[in-house]
Amino acid sequence: AQSVTQLDSHVSVSEGTPVLLRCNYSSSYSPSLFWYVQHPNKGLQLLLKYTSAATLVKGINGFEAEFKKSETSFHLTKPSAHMSDAAEYFCVVSDPLRQGGKLIFGQGTELSVKP
Amino acid sequence: DADVTQTPRNRITKTGKRIMLECSQTKGHDRMYWYRQDPGLGLRLIYYSFDVKDINKGEISDGYSVSRQAQAKFSLSLESAIPNQTALYFCATSDSARASGMWTDTQYFGPGTRLTVL
Repeated sequence: AQSVTQLDSHVSVSEGTPVLLRCNYSSSYSPSLFWYVQHPNKGLQLLLKYTSAATLVKGINGFEAEFKKSETSFHLTKPSAHMSDAAEYFCVVSDPLRQGGKLIFGQGTELSVKP
Repeated sequence: DADVTQTPRNRITKTGKRIMLECSQTKGHDRMYWYRQDPGLGLRLIYYSFDVKDINKGEISDGYSVSRQAQAKFSLSLESAIPNQTALYFCATSDSARASGMWTDTQYFGPGTRLTVL
């Protein structure tokens, strides 16, 4: 069975400092992995996805994530936080062997950005 | 205009009432999904549909039903609403690509419907 664990329920950073949101996954296969962001009272927006191509994936708004199979991790990073990055972030895994694969969501990490 | 729309955006209802949440998409995707979001639990899948004639239960389908009226429309019904169905509900659609024997589905979400059952 597949699962995903976000290691921090809440992360707080200062504007201009780096962001690290941690995600570990469990999968019998080489999975497809995603990061979604949810701003307050908004839907979920896709930040980036990993699909067994390059292990370093670049997304929107300066975010990137690195797939590390040996560590079963897919951490999300950004070099310099902006106030607009404050939101909830979800790490997601899906089964790449089946079309219409269902998504398994992590519990979410709330990112706060201090001025 | 948004690619995935949900109506209503907010709804307050009473226990025992029948409620329908609607989802429409202009992305031309065959696959559509309904999720609910509860604090600290992420999103959980209620139902999903691979095309108009193919509807499947997700992990928490009890108390819910769905209707796929057309490729672009997927409705979620609560036959007799109860307070623990108070949640944020999301509709999603997905495209799919296959490469090297592996599928990659990317899901696109609507803005959500906030449902409160009193």
